[in-house]
Amino acid sequence: SQQGEEDPQALSIQEGENATMNCSYKTSINNLQWYRQNSGRGLVHLILIRSNEREKHSGRLRVTLDTSKKSSSLLITASRAADTASYFCATDHGGSNYKLTFGKGTLLTVNP
Amino acid sequence: DTAVSQTPKYLVTQMGNDKSIKCEQNLGHDTMYWYKQDSKKFLKIMFSYNNKELIINETVPNRFSPKSPDKAHLNLHINSLELGDSAVYFCASSQANRGRETQYFGPGTRLLVL
Repeated sequence: SQQGEEDPQALSIQEGENATMNCSYKTSINNLQWYRQNSGRGLVHLILIRSNEREKHSGRLRVTLDTSKKSSSLLITASRAADTASYFCATDHGGSNYKLTFGKGTLLTVNP
Repeated sequence: DTAVSQTPKYLVTQMGNDKSIKCEQNLGHDTMYWYKQDSKKFLKIMFSYNNKELIINETVPNRFSPKSPDKAHLNLHINSLELGDSAVYFCASSQANRGRETQYFGPGTRLLVL
């Protein structure tokens, strides 16, 4: 299975702390993306990292990619209550069908 | 303006009925998708259309039939609804010819089959 797997499944932290979520996958990728889903809403794209990149930043987000370990991590610094959501990694394994394979997600709760 | 919209937002129906969900995107994208998210939040691709041509058809019962009348619309018709079809269905779109781009999701349609 190419499916990404996030860990932990759930993470609860205090406002101001950093949150780290991990994603592992099984076969080689073109790129890996992170999405956020607020309760009752659709997914929102956060950041994309290509297979030849090792690290990427966007605001308070930092994503790393280790293709030798087939893993990625998403770090959210100085978390806020508004960051409470589910976070999914999605992998693009190439091919002509533009398919993304989503992991099961990490539920992040940031307590005020 | 909403980029990817779906109707209806909620759908409650009886087993055995036929229902349709509609999706429209105003982003000018050439690729559209249907996903099913189950109660455990697992998101699974069902179908994808690129320029109105079906390019992804995962292992989905024949009761599900997508239709893309044009690049901006992708509808999903479900025949003979079953209890197990209860889920949230998400439409998404992307611009494939710019390379591996991100997908933009609609707000979801919450389907409950009684």
